[in-house]
Amino acid sequence: DAGVIQSPRHEVTEMGQEVTLRCKPISGHDYLFWYRQTMMRGLELLIYFNNNVPIDDSGMPEDRFSAKMPNASFSTLKIQPSEPRDSAVYFCASKGGGADFTDTQYFGPGTRLTVL
Amino acid sequence: QQPVQSPQAVILREGEDAVINCSSSKALYSVHWYRQKHGEAPVFLMILLKGGEQKGHEKISASFNEKKQQSSLYLTASQLSYSGTYFCGTEGPSNAGNMLTFGGGTRLMVKP
Repeated sequence: DAGVIQSPRHEVTEMGQEVTLRCKPISGHDYLFWYRQTMMRGLELLIYFNNNVPIDDSGMPEDRFSAKMPNASFSTLKIQPSEPRDSAVYFCASKGGGADFTDTQYFGPGTRLTVL
Repeated sequence: QQPVQSPQAVILREGEDAVINCSSSKALYSVHWYRQKHGEAPVFLMILLKGGEQKGHEKISASFNEKKQQSSLYLTASQLSYSGTYFCGTEGPSNAGNMLTFGGGTRLMVKP
C-alpha cells in the first residue's frame, strides 16, 4: 500500500497567486481530511469528505479556500488568491469506513506552502 | 474544543521514562495518539476506545480514563528514536462525526 500521496511536497508562490494542492487517499478509504499545521495554531481540520461528499467545512478559513473531491481517489485544496498568512504545512489524511470503528486517520507527507 | 496536553515539552536522557497527558473538556469516545518527527507527517501510534482499556506497543503504552476524560501516554526506557512531537487526537462524545480534534502537542527530546 502506497499510503496517502500528496503533491507538490513544496510550493513557493507569490501573494495573489492561485495555489492547488493535491491528494490521493489510501485505496478503499471512505474518508478524506484536509488539515493545516502552523506553529501558532497547531493542527487544524479544514474540511473532510465522506464518499466524495463534503461533510464538514467549518474549519475552512474563508472563501479564498475551496476543496473538491471529484472521485474516490483524488482531492484538491485550492487557495485563490493566496496570502502570506496561508503559509503552513497542509496535510491530507484518509480513514477507512464501514464497521471498523477502531480505524484511525493516516496522514500524507504534507505540502509545505510558502506565500511570499 | 481542543484537548489540553501536558507537559508542553520534556527532555529526557536515554533510558528514562516519561508520561504525556491529554485532557478533554467533553466526553470522549476514543483517543488517538500520534508521533511527528520534524519535517514529517504524524504517524499513528495507537487508539484507545472508551472503556478504560490500556494498550501497549513495545515500550510505549497508553491508558484512557473515560470518567476523567483523559488519556496518558507512557514511554518506558526511552530511546533516541522516541524524540518528536506527540499529539493526542480526541473523538467524542460519539464516533458519529468521524472527526479528530488534536491537542497542541508535547515536544519530547531524548538525549544520549
